Amino acid sequence: DTGVSQNPRHKITKRGQNVTFRCDPISEHNRLYWYRQTLGQGPEFLTYFQNEAQLEKSRLLSDRFSAERPKGSFSTLEIQRTEQGDSAMYLCASSAGNNSPLHFGNGTRLTVT
Amino acid sequence: GQQLNQSPQSMFIQEGEDVSMNCTSSSIFNTWLWYKQDPGEGPVLLIALYKAGELTSNGRLTAQFGITRKDSFLNISASIPSDVGIYFCAGQLGGGADGLTFGKGTHLIIQP
Repeated sequence: DTGVSQNPRHKITKRGQNVTFRCDPISEHNRLYWYRQTLGQGPEFLTYFQNEAQLEKSRLLSDRFSAERPKGSFSTLEIQRTEQGDSAMYLCASSAGNNSPLHFGNGTRLTVT
Repeated sequence: GQQLNQSPQSMFIQEGEDVSMNCTSSSIFNTWLWYKQDPGEGPVLLIALYKAGELTSNGRLTAQFGITRKDSFLNISASIPSDVGIYFCAGQLGGGADGLTFGKGTHLIIQP
């Protein structure tokens, strides 16, 4: 399978705990994106990388959120001190570059209890 | 920021009927994309449109990029049960800001 891969698919955590998600993009894609999606809404942009550089961050990305792409391949998204409002589907996408369509993974569904 | 208005919010149709949904924006986009999302999965790209006025087909799906670059529509002909799902439009500015802005989705339900 050469699509975008995300792990884990589901994560249940208690409020206050830290969680980390991983995304493996399509191998030849240099751009990687993180989105968040809540029930009944479209995905909302969080941040994106070109290779290892984080080029844009949304205002939705509070200081409890951090994303990395250390070698320009896979990426991790960490949420510290989770809150119930963080419960959502976290989607990763990749693209081949400027004006190229984004291809999404199947997401990580986070539930904060 | 940009806002995308997608309509209708939901559609209940009979199998075999044609479907039409559209998206309008308060600002211009350089690319319009249409995605379909099934429960528990990520959005899957259906059609990408790159030029104003462009009309593109993918099987039973047809989409157009509006002349004003502020709107797009998606048509599905002769719907079948596997067309059930949520359809999202998304606009892309391109250039340095390449993230997508999504609509809220059209939930398509097909009655046998």
